[in-house]
Amino acid sequence: DAGVIQSPRHEVTEMGQEVTLRCKPISGHNSLFWYRQTMMRGLELLIYFNNNVPIDDSGMPEDRFSAKMPNASFSTLKIQPSEPRDSAVYFCASSFSPPTGDGYTFGSGTRLTVV
Amino acid sequence: QQQVKQSPQSLIVQKGGISIINCAYENTAFDYFPWYQQFPGKGPALLIAIRPDVSEKKEGRFTISFNKSAKQFSLHIMDSQPGDSATYFCAASTIQGAQKLVFGQGTRLTINP
Repeated sequence: DAGVIQSPRHEVTEMGQEVTLRCKPISGHNSLFWYRQTMMRGLELLIYFNNNVPIDDSGMPEDRFSAKMPNASFSTLKIQPSEPRDSAVYFCASSFSPPTGDGYTFGSGTRLTVV
Repeated sequence: QQQVKQSPQSLIVQKGGISIINCAYENTAFDYFPWYQQFPGKGPALLIAIRPDVSEKKEGRFTISFNKSAKQFSLHIMDSQPGDSATYFCAASTIQGAQKLVFGQGTRLTINP
């Protein structure tokens, strides 16, 4: 398996534009997590899905953020409209549920810069 | 109560020395405590994990020590090597459900040759 695949790796966009981040989890994993990493706040859980259903979106900062998981092999995180304070590295991770002790597998992240 | 507090923020150790990173939690429902290692430009990767039914777990040069009564756990890296230079995150969760992890703030470890 190629691991968790995120795209794009880097995204530079202007304030006010829509940004869509994509994630392909590991085949067979049934939990998917979106995290945001910044120097100030560390790793923050934004939302997680179990069997394609959103379970907890309490970490989504504002209504500008939305996430979908239309099937077991694909998820998107959308920011509309984007703002400079959204600049961060966004990670997608997947795991088995119930957990097997192998932990999460993270993707390599998308570095988002909003100018 | 959901927080995991990690210290120090940064650590410099000489090659061959012992690196120690500490974490504390408040939620007594947590029963799974992993450590993740992150290299620049990469996502965090699971390094080692412990359940509270044991006080210590060792994998190679990496050891987790767990103190349930104090609600603290720590990572020890023995014979630290320059290749261990990375950011380390402790985390905690309950084993039930989707294993929603709460991460510490991270420790940037530098091993000087």
